Amino acid sequence: GDSVTQMEGPVTLSEEAFLTINCTYTATGYPSLFWYVQYPGEGLQLLLKATKADDKGSNKGFEATYRKETTSFHLEKGSVQVSDSAVYFCALGDFGNEKLTFGTGTRLTIIP
Amino acid sequence: ETGVTQSPTHLIKTRGQQVTLRCSSQSGHNTVSWYQQALGQGPQFIFQYYREEENGRGNFPPRFSGLQFPNYSSELNVNALELDDSALYLCASSLYGGTGSYEQYFGPGTRLTVT
Repeated sequence: GDSVTQMEGPVTLSEEAFLTINCTYTATGYPSLFWYVQYPGEGLQLLLKATKADDKGSNKGFEATYRKETTSFHLEKGSVQVSDSAVYFCALGDFGNEKLTFGTGTRLTIIP
Repeated sequence: ETGVTQSPTHLIKTRGQQVTLRCSSQSGHNTVSWYQQALGQGPQFIFQYYREEENGRGNFPPRFSGLQFPNYSSELNVNALELDDSALYLCASSLYGGTGSYEQYFGPGTRLTVT
């Protein structure tokens, strides 16, 4: 079945550091890929998405590229801020069935 | 545009009881999905409703059931509660157009504690 593997957390970085959170997936067919963010006490917010190979999703300075050859969708940001502290989830969506399969999440803490 | 809302925010139940959680979809959306998020874990898909019919189900027992109403709001019912049912229950709505629409918009969740 479909699965998503995320980099183990927690991750602690200083403000303005470069961020990478690794995500790899296993799926049949051609899934869409997503990054969701969950701030403390809140539900999930869609951060970015990519629907086919080589697509790059981007939002709020975050980027991720859909790499079919390595089955990866790593999240990157060039300069993190304290406000980026949250839990980040990588997810894949099955074509024709809107079920999302999530990774276990990576907790990110940015210190000033 | 009104976002996804869920009620109640928090709930405490006793093992063996039944619970109903409610969700109002985002305006214009026709599909509702429910997820269970245990502490420290990613959300797990419970089921999805489209046009008032179940449209896919995850690995959850039949005591988890749901409804979708003509206004696209939805309920999640859990019977015979177990301690392991303690979790954050998330509702997500989306617009299913037949070709695959994957942007699911999540509500804030209902925190269920079973004692």
